Amino acid sequence: DIKMTQSPSSVSASVGDRVTITCQTSQDVRKFVNWYQHKSGGAPKLLIYDTSNLQRGVSSRFSGSGSGTYFTLTINNLRPEDFATYYCQQYNQAPLFTFGPGTTVDVK
Amino acid sequence: EVQLVESGGGLERPGTSLRLSCAGSGFIFDDYAIHWVRQVAGKGPEWVSGISWNGAKIGYADSVKGRFTISRDNRRNTVSLQINSLKKEDSAMYYCVKDGGKYEFESMDVWGKGTTVTVSS
Repeated sequence: DIKMTQSPSSVSASVGDRVTITCQTSQDVRKFVNWYQHKSGGAPKLLIYDTSNLQRGVSSRFSGSGSGTYFTLTINNLRPEDFATYYCQQYNQAPLFTFGPGTTVDVK
Repeated sequence: EVQLVESGGGLERPGTSLRLSCAGSGFIFDDYAIHWVRQVAGKGPEWVSGISWNGAKIGYADSVKGRFTISRDNRRNTVSLQINSLKKEDSAMYYCVKDGGKYEFESMDVWGKGTTVTVSS
């Protein structure tokens, strides 16, 4: 099984800040990492697929990078609507997928 | 508009069975894999199962393997999830999710509104 960790588990930030979230996997997953945003009461929303590809319709303030076992999601110029929980996901052994434990971005 | 509509959730007793269904519209259904993801309020999402565009590849989370069965009917644009031997820990919102990759597994780009499963004696 591929284990996933995210850090930090939560981060307090202000509007306009840059926030970086990291995701680590227990095995090399090549580029097969996606990122999702989740707000309470709704379904998760795909932000980034295959490490760095911005999903259509998602703000360019979101970006992803990494490879192998270390990946990052960066949110530039944090907006009020960005306060949410963010999950990474790996699918190196598709059709098996695994979500990370999540990182909550809240208001400082 | 791409849509996925789940049905079949409800209140069930432990040990019983349940069948969830998902109807897709607004896209070429048999070009895309479909997944089931569940989420307990206040917790992170858990991928449960996925089926490829043609049904040839199927995967299950270890937590449900042997009890859950996913299937699809591309003539009716539907995917089903058969859940046997229900456990209290199966209680969650179950989302039907379209994969973003055509003919391949890639990401989860369109989510249904979900159907709630509650397992309680």
